[in-house]
This record gives sequence, C-alpha cells and structure tokens, in this order.
Amino acid sequence: DAGITQSPRHKVTETGTPVTLRCHQTENHRYMYWYRQDPGHGLRLIHYSYGVKDTDKGEVSDGYSVSRSKTEDFLLTLESATSSQTSVYFCAISESGAYYEQYFGPGTRLTVT
Amino acid sequence: AQSVTQLDSQVPVFEEAPVELRCNYSSSVSVYLFWYVQYPNQGLQLLLKYLSGSTLVKGINGFEAEFNKSQTSFHLRKPSVHISDTAEYFCAVSRLFGNEKLTFGTGTRLTIIP
Repeated sequence: DAGITQSPRHKVTETGTPVTLRCHQTENHRYMYWYRQDPGHGLRLIHYSYGVKDTDKGEVSDGYSVSRSKTEDFLLTLESATSSQTSVYFCAISESGAYYEQYFGPGTRLTVT
Repeated sequence: AQSVTQLDSQVPVFEEAPVELRCNYSSSVSVYLFWYVQYPNQGLQLLLKYLSGSTLVKGINGFEAEFNKSQTSFHLRKPSVHISDTAEYFCAVSRLFGNEKLTFGTGTRLTIIP
C-alpha cells in the first residue's frame, strides 16, 4: 500500500470554527490532491498541489485553502466551517499528474454541527 | 472541460452472473480513462486505465473495460461476479495534455446478491 495517512480520521466541529486536515505521504510523489465525497456527487476536487508551495484550485474550492511547505505534507483548511462542508475528505497522491495512478488515503469524516 | 456520466447509480447482480457498469464521457480533446473501486469504508484504488493502444483493457480482479471512441464510452465488465466485488465503482477521465486533474463520475454501487 502507498504510504498515505490522513489525520484526524474523524472530526466533529461547530459551525464557524476553523478546521485543518492533514495529509502525509512517504512516497515522495510530486502531486497531491484533496477531494470531497458526497452522496450523488462522487468525488470532487477541492485543491491540488504540483510541488512545494505550488497549488491550484479544483472545482469546489470556495471556503477551502491549502498549503504545502514540504513534499510530504498537504494541509486543507476550512477557515470557518459550515454545515455544507460536512463530508468525507480524501487525500490522493500521484507521481506526475493524472496519467499516473492516484493513490488514495483512508479518508477523514468531518461533521459540522 | 471534460465530464463523466455513470448511468446507473445502483446495480444489483446475482453472484456468478455477469455485470456491466456503464460510463460515458464528454470532452473536446483526447482523454485518458480510468475505473476506480472503493470498498466499504476505504479509499479508492485503481482497477484499470486506458491510455492508448488496444481498446480492450484488462484490470485487477477479473475486470475489463472497452474504450469506444465513437460512442464516447468506457464500460466496465466482469463475466462472473463474487460477493467480494460489492463496492462502489467510479469512472474518471483526464485530458491527454494538461492532465494534472481527474474528473470523476458520480459512482455506481454494485451489490452482489448471494
């Protein structure tokens, strides 16, 4: 299995609070991605990174920010959580873009009350 | 931009019967195509992918898919399913150039009936 961990695995938070999710990889892959998974929507890309300090938006980036200060870590921050951000969040890594296989982490279940 | 349509949200199939999960895509440029599988309470893993060459692609666990450019389809098939195939299956597409991102379909939940 690819070495990808996500923390925390479960989190319950209140509306309006900031939340940071962490993705950590041990594969030294260049690309890292954050997705959210919701019933009826499949997986939707939030943000991705193509190198340290290089990030770009996905299709559902509003309300989210990311940072990548080291190859191995990719952080997703919800500045002020809303109930619509209740979801399962997956991190994925890839050697070099979507041409290569994306390896997924185990997911983080976030509930915003 | 590209998009993916998975026509069936749920597919129940009897054990040892064949199955086909349908996927159609839309893109103005050439694409790569993928099928990923998600077992309960897990992340996704790659089943198979079409990059170029033969339009019939074989993947893990006995699955295969056929790329049909004229019908813009990439249907997934298995001749005989097992209980262990119970999972959600996602079709995905990326552009041939500028292919940093995958666009996923909404998924098909495959339920195997004993």
